[in-house]
Amino acid sequence: GNSVTQMEGPVTLSEEAFLTINCTYTATGYPSLFWYVQYPGEGLQLLLKATKADDKGSNKGFEATYRKETTSFHLEKGSVQVSDSAVYFCAPKGRSPGGGNKLTFGTGTQLKVEL
Amino acid sequence: NAGVTQTPKFRILKIGQSMTLQCTQDMNHNYMYWYRQDPGMGLKLIYYSVGAGITDKGEVPNGYNVSRSTTEDFPLRLELAAPSQTSVYFCASTNGPNTEAFFGQGTRLTVV
Repeated sequence: GNSVTQMEGPVTLSEEAFLTINCTYTATGYPSLFWYVQYPGEGLQLLLKATKADDKGSNKGFEATYRKETTSFHLEKGSVQVSDSAVYFCAPKGRSPGGGNKLTFGTGTQLKVEL
Repeated sequence: NAGVTQTPKFRILKIGQSMTLQCTQDMNHNYMYWYRQDPGMGLKLIYYSVGAGITDKGEVPNGYNVSRSTTEDFPLRLELAAPSQTSVYFCASTNGPNTEAFFGQGTRLTVV
């Protein structure tokens, strides 16, 4: 099955700082890779995705590149805002051997952005 | 534009009571999932389903049951509530193995 390792949080940054949240994964075959964001009191929502090696997903100033050789999908943003404070989840997703589709998440990384 | 709808949003149960958490999606997704999220923690998969009539256990299925009689609905049943089941429960659905998951807003359950 698929598994993911994310850097532990909380990550605390000042506004306009550069953000990197590391994510490495193990997966069967060639998964698609996703970053989800959870704002306080809400469910998860898709932030960005990449479906094949060397693809770059981007949204709201966030970017992540699918690195097959290092099995990584690190999330970056050049200048964070207070409104980016949330929990971020990396998730590889692809068909498991024998069929089915078990979607699992890591522990997430909490980001706190201060003025 | 409903997406994934969970009810109720909040519930307090006494130890030993039972309840059903409802989850409905209107996107005709085959795959549906139930997770629990404890404070400050990530998501743990309870049960999932790859289509009507098919369900399978996730990481933490003990104390829960599910059914999938229709594509739209995936209810989660707690038979004998225990304080350890105090958590926030999320339902999610996807259209296929490489597509994004859509989440409900969650059900906050407290067992006292």
